[in-house]
Amino acid sequence: DAEITQSPRHKITETGRQVTLACHQTWNHNNMFWYRQDLGHGLRLIHYSYGVQDTNKGEVSDGYSVSRSNTEDLPLTLESAASSQTSVYFCASSLGGANSPLHFGNGTRLTVT
Amino acid sequence: KQEVTQIPAALSVPEGENLVLNCSFTDSAIYNLQWFRQDPGKGLTSLLLIQSSQREQTSGRLNASLDKSSGRSTLYIAASQPGDSATYLCAVRPRGTSGSRLTFGEGTQLTVNP
Repeated sequence: DAEITQSPRHKITETGRQVTLACHQTWNHNNMFWYRQDLGHGLRLIHYSYGVQDTNKGEVSDGYSVSRSNTEDLPLTLESAASSQTSVYFCASSLGGANSPLHFGNGTRLTVT
Repeated sequence: KQEVTQIPAALSVPEGENLVLNCSFTDSAIYNLQWFRQDPGKGLTSLLLIQSSQREQTSGRLNASLDKSSGRSTLYIAASQPGDSATYLCAVRPRGTSGSRLTFGEGTQLTVNP
């Protein structure tokens, strides 16, 4: 079955370090998204991509970057980790089109100390 | 700016009860509304997607309705089971956005007691 795999599942890092979270999907979807989930804020969009070499900022993109070199992967990089970036991060994908459902990975829990 | 609200934040019911979860949104200009289920420590699983031209969608014991003009959706769960215990989130895709950019509610945490 097609799926979205996120790694690692848990990560602890120190303030100021660069961190990369991996996302790999086997749906062959064009669209990929990164969200963070926090109590009191729900799910918020960080970055998204509509295809290879395409990346766009979401509503909370400061301090994060992504790159899309192939269809399957959209790694999320925290340039210099901050305590405010402690969160659960979800990668998602969709085929495209107005009514394509969104499929999610199981998330990465990141703690910045 | 589109805002999505889910009330109540938590709900506890006995097994076998029929229940309704509510979702409201502020801007009726949407492509669709999607209901998700989230289990602890897991990602979101898509349950139902209602297009803006539709009034309802059904999947097994789940029925979702959409009243776009009033900015409301409900998720009806029939004959609830302990395995239905999870957080249920709704999300809308506003018109004017491309891809599948969604605006999420914060969810209703459902507990079904045996």
